[in-house]
Amino acid sequence: GENVEQHPSTLSVQEGDSAVIKCTYSDSASNYFPWYKQELGKRPQLIIDIRSNVGEKKDQRIAVTLNKTAKHFSLHITETQPEDSAVYFCAANGSGNTGKLIFGQGTTLQVKP
Amino acid sequence: GAVVSQHPSRVICKSGTSVKIECRSLDFQATTMFWYRQFPKQSLMLMATSNEGSKATYEQGVEKDKFLINHASLTLSTLTVTSAHPEDSSFYICSANDGTSGETQYFGPGTRLLVL
Repeated sequence: GENVEQHPSTLSVQEGDSAVIKCTYSDSASNYFPWYKQELGKRPQLIIDIRSNVGEKKDQRIAVTLNKTAKHFSLHITETQPEDSAVYFCAANGSGNTGKLIFGQGTTLQVKP
Repeated sequence: GAVVSQHPSRVICKSGTSVKIECRSLDFQATTMFWYRQFPKQSLMLMATSNEGSKATYEQGVEKDKFLINHASLTLSTLTVTSAHPEDSSFYICSANDGTSGETQYFGPGTRLLVL
């Protein structure tokens, strides 16, 4: 079935360093890949997304890259700040035009001041 | 825009009782809403897709008679946990697609259910 794998499960970086989270997906028909940030006890917030017609998208310190051939996509956060500390989830849309999203397992990012 | 609310934010109930959770899209109409369950330190597990005016589509392994979903209007979907048991205790989150941004889902704040 449809599956999204996310790595690493935890990531600790020093403030100012970069953080990279990687995901792979199984359904070659997937064409929409959002990333969500979830703080403890809060709702997931969309931070960036990418569609399959582009290979990279950037929004200030956040960028996402997509390799459709390899079925990989990654989140890059540069100049990390303590407020970036949260759980990050990648997702891919399911096939069949249902609007469903299949989520990765999540990455807990800790940015040390 | 694209604000989703959920009520209640927290509920404690006794075993055997039923609990209703509401999910509302405040500034847009949502023909499709989604219900997720999230255990501590785990990912979002899709329970069902709620379709306005029709029956919900449940994911494999989710009991439809246990988790009743009603999507009676374009701004409201409800999830009722029937005959709740302690193992139903969890964080339940809904999301909605605003229909204008493709498949982008906007999440509600979640409902923490504790069944005693």
